[in-house]
This record gives sequence, C-alpha cells and structure tokens, in this order.
Amino acid sequence: TQLLEQSPQFLSIQEGENLTVYCNSSSVFSSLQWYRQEPGEGPVLLVTVVTGGEVKKLKRLTFQFGDARKDSSLHITAAQPGDTGLYLCAGANNAGNMLTFGGGTRLMVKP
Amino acid sequence: DSGVTQTPKHLITATGQRVTLRCSPRSGDLSVYWYQQSLDQGLQFLIQYYNGEERAKGNILERFSAQQFPDLHSELNLSSLELGDSALYFCASSVTGRGQPQHFGDGTRLSIL
Repeated sequence: TQLLEQSPQFLSIQEGENLTVYCNSSSVFSSLQWYRQEPGEGPVLLVTVVTGGEVKKLKRLTFQFGDARKDSSLHITAAQPGDTGLYLCAGANNAGNMLTFGGGTRLMVKP
Repeated sequence: DSGVTQTPKHLITATGQRVTLRCSPRSGDLSVYWYQQSLDQGLQFLIQYYNGEERAKGNILERFSAQQFPDLHSELNLSSLELGDSALYFCASSVTGRGQPQHFGDGTRLSIL
C-alpha cells in the first residue's frame, strides 16, 4: 500500500511570510499532483510533476519533485490571504489511474 | 467550474438505508473516479470506470457499488448505510484512464443519522 505523509497538518501565518509544505513517501510514484481545496468545493488541480528533480513554478508557488520520485514540496512566497485553503498532494501509481492522497495541509494566511 | 457535475449536493438519511449518488463527467472525458473524504481518513480512492468498464478498485466496501452508463455518467450506490459512512463523496473525471489530470466535482455530502 502506498502512503503519503504530508506536513505540517496545520499552518497559520501572516500575510507576506513564506512557507513550505512537504509530502513524503517510501514509495515511488509515476507522477505527483498538488491540489487546493476550499470549503464546499472539490479539489482543484494546481500542478502535476512527472520527472525526478522537476521544478515547476506557478506565480508565487514553486513545486518540486524529489530525485527518487518519492517526495515533493510546495513552497509559497509572500503568502496572501487568498492562499488560504487545504493543500493536498497525491501520488499516481504506475498505471497513472489511482491517486493516493496525503492527509492535507490546512493553511491560513492572516491579513 | 471543473465541468464535473454531482447530484445531490447534500443527502441526509438513516442507518440501514440505500442511496445513489450521481456524477456527470466533463464533456469528452471517458473515465470517472469515485473518492470518499472523511475527517479521519482523508481523501480515499474508491473505484474507477473507463468507457463503461471497471478499471481499478481501491478501498471500496462490499456494500458500495458503482457503474458507468453508455452516456458516460456514473452512479455510486451505497447500501446498508452505517454512521461511519457519513462523508463527502467526490467524483472526478479525466480524458483517458491513465496519467491524465483528474478534475473533481464539488461532491455530495452524505449524513447518516
């Protein structure tokens, strides 16, 4: 069974601060996806990383896939209140059809 | 708006009952996935269908079943409901069944009284 450990579980910071969320596993994934979920809505895909060592940037968000494709990180620069939400990482199996989700990081950015 | 439609948004029922949750995938998507999200278990994969056929199974209970119809919409049937089945149930869809981004609906909140 593939498991994904996400940390921290909760994060409360002030606007303008930087933060990093980690997603770790002992299993290798064919790809890793990051989602953001807001109350009353489904997860929304932010990015997919496929290659070991890959780095992708989405405005103030930087995503990195570990060299061994077992872990990933999400770094947010100068966080804003609009970044508040639940961030989920999800690893895909070799067939690319089953996602294993981490437990999520609930981020609150205070103005 | 992801383009994935789930109905109903909320469902309240009693233990022992049976319910059906419905999902319409995004236009052009052939694969649908069902997930359960609870406070203690997080988001867990239940089952996947591709073009009408079951493709993968996750942690789905025997009391639960699903199907995908010729028009590609899908239904998740939950029977002999227990208090622990209270959760958010999400449907996602993707173009193919392999390696494609999954787009999620807004879920059905099931409450068992």
